[in-house]
Amino acid sequence: DTEVTQTPKHLVMGMTNKKSLKCEQHMGHRAMYWYKQKAKKPPELMFVYSYEKLSINESVPSRFSPECPNSSLLNLHLHALQPEDSALYLCASSQAPGTGKGGNYGYTFGSGTRLTVV
Amino acid sequence: KNQVEQSPQSLIILEGKNCTLQCNYTVSPFSNLRWYKQDTGRGPVSLTIMTFSENTKSNGRYTATLDADTKQSSLHITASQLSDSASYICVVRGMGNQFYFGTGTSLTVIP
Repeated sequence: DTEVTQTPKHLVMGMTNKKSLKCEQHMGHRAMYWYKQKAKKPPELMFVYSYEKLSINESVPSRFSPECPNSSLLNLHLHALQPEDSALYLCASSQAPGTGKGGNYGYTFGSGTRLTVV
Repeated sequence: KNQVEQSPQSLIILEGKNCTLQCNYTVSPFSNLRWYKQDTGRGPVSLTIMTFSENTKSNGRYTATLDADTKQSSLHITASQLSDSASYICVVRGMGNQFYFGTGTSLTVIP
């Protein structure tokens, strides 16, 4: 299995809703990432988990709440979002540093969740 | 400052023609460089990955080159097809979990 699976593929939610995005990988990667991508822009890093612990939070508003229940799963809980939060949300995974796998590795991205906040 | 710059920003070519996309970076230390293809509304898909010891790597009609001395990489697309229309993103990995994204090149292939 060499894929990162994201669900749902599309999500429309109101500003008062609570929803969650899910990401799963079975490649043994111990680093997982959430990115937000607006149209015609490169992905912007939101969170990094390394060995199931949050290692980077790029000053993301608290209405986005990440969770890493185990080494294969990564969730992004959404609450009280704004219309400007509408974007493509990408999950990625990679070998974590210190795994002895050498430098020849990078991201594997999921297909993304297209989020629309109304 | 660690940066990745791509050029051109956008490119339109005729089907069947070749093209070359550029990526210059200042990331140090350098771990690897990856080219991704991203279709609109989809996640990026890896085309090639190169470490500092690799000068060239091919994946079908895609050939990537890397000059670690000048910190430049290129992606050459041969005999372009309509399905090559996408954004092409260069991502450089530095220390640890630090990844640096280029702003991408938007390629449009027209019949």
